[in-house]
Amino acid sequence: NAGVIQTPRHKVTGKGQEATLWCEPISGHSAVFWYRQTIVQGLEFLTYFRNQAPIDDSGMPKERFSAQMPNQSHSTLKIQSTQPQDSAVYLCASSLESGYEQYFGPGTRLTVL
Amino acid sequence: GEQVEQRPPHLSVREGDSAFITCTYTDPNSYYFFWYKQEPGASLQLLMKVFSSTEINEGQGFTVLLNKKDKRLSLNLTAAHPGDSAAYFCAVSDGGSGNKLIFGTGTLLSVKP
Repeated sequence: NAGVIQTPRHKVTGKGQEATLWCEPISGHSAVFWYRQTIVQGLEFLTYFRNQAPIDDSGMPKERFSAQMPNQSHSTLKIQSTQPQDSAVYLCASSLESGYEQYFGPGTRLTVL
Repeated sequence: GEQVEQRPPHLSVREGDSAFITCTYTDPNSYYFFWYKQEPGASLQLLMKVFSSTEINEGQGFTVLLNKKDKRLSLNLTAAHPGDSAAYFCAVSDGGSGNKLIFGTGTLLSVKP
């Protein structure tokens, strides 16, 4: 089992540019989660899909952030007009079912200059 | 919403000593509890899951205790070794949906030879 795959591992954008982060969950897992990790805020929940349907996006900044899961094998997190405060490690996790243990990918370190 | 407090933020012990980390949470309906380990530059590695019916779980070199009355979750690394040096995070499932994780602020453990 390859585990959760995230690409790219590192991304550097200029202020105002767009960033798209990719996540491939563990095969057979029906739930996909996105979290953000910073030194100041710690680990924060962003959004969650179950069987590709968006279930909870309560942690997503209302402007500029969007997430999709077009098929069971990948999810994307898109940040439009990136700002320096978006700099963080973005973590994707998947679980077999809701409420089961979540397995995390290696993360994408986003740096906005 | 759920709030999780984790103590201590930093912990330094000698090899062979025990290391004790505690989390307290607020939502009495929380049902699933997890401990994750994060080594420098790496992602989150699941150490242990604890469910509401479990009070004590033992893993390889550590013990997890859940006290639902006090809403307290603890991790005790017995006979710590330098390889245990890492950040440790507790996580509590959202009591309402049982899905998204609310993380503690983390404990940075240093085990000195």
